[in-house]
Amino acid sequence: DTGVSQDPRHKITKRGQNVTFRCDPISEHNRLYWYRQTLGQGPEFLTYFQNEAQLEKSRLLSDRFSAERPKGSFSTLEIQRTEQGDSAMYLCASSFRGYYGYTFGSGTRLTVV
Amino acid sequence: GQQVMQIPQYQHVQEGEDFTTYCNSSTTLSNIQWYKQRPGGHPVFLIQLVKSGEVKKQKRLTFQFGEAKKNSSLHITATQTTDVGTYFCAESATGNQFYFGTGTSLTVIP
Repeated sequence: DTGVSQDPRHKITKRGQNVTFRCDPISEHNRLYWYRQTLGQGPEFLTYFQNEAQLEKSRLLSDRFSAERPKGSFSTLEIQRTEQGDSAMYLCASSFRGYYGYTFGSGTRLTVV
Repeated sequence: GQQVMQIPQYQHVQEGEDFTTYCNSSTTLSNIQWYKQRPGGHPVFLIQLVKSGEVKKQKRLTFQFGEAKKNSSLHITATQTTDVGTYFCAESATGNQFYFGTGTSLTVIP
């Protein structure tokens, strides 16, 4: 593995549409995190998985957001009924047991028009 | 979300000058991490501090964790143009998920 992969790199969608992003972590890493970053701000925690279990979900994450990590490998983040306020960079990161630094992917930039 | 105070928000320095950014928390932390994000890039892990009063060095970068484990600093000696970017601290009370600060954007003037 060369790092954390995210797909797509860019996504433009119309308001009200559903979108899904994919993250492939480093294979040895058992923890996977989703963050959201807007311009000029630090990454904002959304949720994290240890293996296939979703252990924590931010209170900022509305019911329109859902994340999965089937079989503890890749993860998907789905946003239903997108709103303009969802426009941001969605970053995925993975780590080994959470005791070491995160390795971030290049992110998926979402633009809702 | 968890509020992580980081100062200053912006810093412009002449190449060769030193630079320091500070991170303060209202709670006692389990550990703290530092990241660097280049313009247009993603955060890259620099270091993790765990012990009270811990000081770690990476070439021209010095990282410090406060005695009370409520604050941390990153100091760069003799900045270079390659140091340009935004530096984030990320704190955790539990050692599980980390909450990022607002970052300090460093501009180095040649």
